[in-house]
Parts: sequence; C-alpha cells; structure tokens
Amino acid sequence: DVKVTQSSRYLVKRTGEKVFLECVQDMDHENMFWYRQDPGLGLRLIYFSYDVKMKEKGDIPEGYSVSREKKERFSLILESASTNQTSMYLCASRTGRREQFFGPGTRLTVL
Amino acid sequence: GQQVMQIPQYQHVQEGEDFTTYCNSSTTLSNIQWYKQRPGGHPVFLIQLVKSGEVKKQKRLTFQFGEAKKNSSLHITATQTTDVGTYFCAENTGTASKLTFGTGTRLQVTL
Repeated sequence: DVKVTQSSRYLVKRTGEKVFLECVQDMDHENMFWYRQDPGLGLRLIYFSYDVKMKEKGDIPEGYSVSREKKERFSLILESASTNQTSMYLCASRTGRREQFFGPGTRLTVL
Repeated sequence: GQQVMQIPQYQHVQEGEDFTTYCNSSTTLSNIQWYKQRPGGHPVFLIQLVKSGEVKKQKRLTFQFGEAKKNSSLHITATQTTDVGTYFCAENTGTASKLTFGTGTRLQVTL
C-alpha cells in the first residue's frame, strides 16, 4: 500500500514563527504536492515538485517555500507564520498522471 | 488559471435517494479523476476517465465523461450514510503532472 505520512496531525504556532511541515512517501513517486484546504475554497495547490531539488509554484505560493532534497521527502516551510495561514495542509504524491495519494493532513493553527 | 467548476456545492438527501454531482470545464479535458473525502479525512482516489463518452460503474456509483470531454458526472444510486463526504473532480493540467481540483460537492445523507 502506498503511504504518505505527514509529521504532525495538529500544530499550533505563534505569529512570526518559522514552521516546517514534513511529508514522506514510500512509493518512489517522482511528483509531490502541497495543498491547503479551507472551507468553501476546495483544494488549492501551494507548490509541487516533479523531481529532487525541482519545484514549481502552484496557485497560492505567497508566504510559503518548499524543499525537496530527497525523492521521498517534501517539506513545506512557512518563513514567518501569519494568522491567515491557519488551515488544513495536505501533502500528496503520484507517478505520472496516475492516481494521487494524499497524506492524512496537518491542521495548523497560527495564533 | 484553468477553472473546473463543480455543482452543486452542497446537497442534503434522505437515505435511499439518488445524488448527482457535475463537473464542468471551459476547455477540453485530457482526462478526469474523481476523489472522495470523508469528514475529517483526506481525499481518496475513486476512478479515472479518459475516453470521450466513457461510463464506468463502481457498485452504486456511476461515472460519466462527456462526449466533448468538457464535463463529467458522478451519480450515486440509493445513497447510504456511508456515502457522506465531499466529492471532487480533478483534471490533469498541461504537460506537468499537476491536478486541478474542482471546488467539490459536499453530500449529507440522513436517515
């Protein structure tokens, strides 16, 4: 079974803190993605990566950066967390144009 | 960016009633995928449609891809409480392995 794991299910941070969200997949997928999900707004793509050290901006990259040093790991970084970044963050991976596998999500609250 | 519209946003049905959600695009889709997200869960892949006019069934779920490949639908016959959740369509965007998700339809089923 494909497994996509995320480092935390729940996270509470303060405004201005640097936040790292980690995602690991165990199926050798070349593509990895970070989304945020907010009520009424669906799934919005923040960044994605199609190979190690490669990244592309999604629809809402402002305030975020990413890192992919190893194929299995894709990190989302909030350089200076703000309250409007309170959200559910979902990581996903896939190979080619096949089905996409999601992690369980991290619910981040920024106070 | 490309828009994939889904309607309705929300539907509440009595158990045993049918349910349909529609996905519409302004451009021709290369293929379309459907995902289900249970409350508190993460999106899980249901199916992929590729061919014009394609119809696929999974038990009580029927998926259709329009002849012009600009729309798709998911129909559930005789809903059950286990069908509760949000249903998303998603299409591959451009040449990258990036999915564009529809806005989702939230289904509530009551006894």
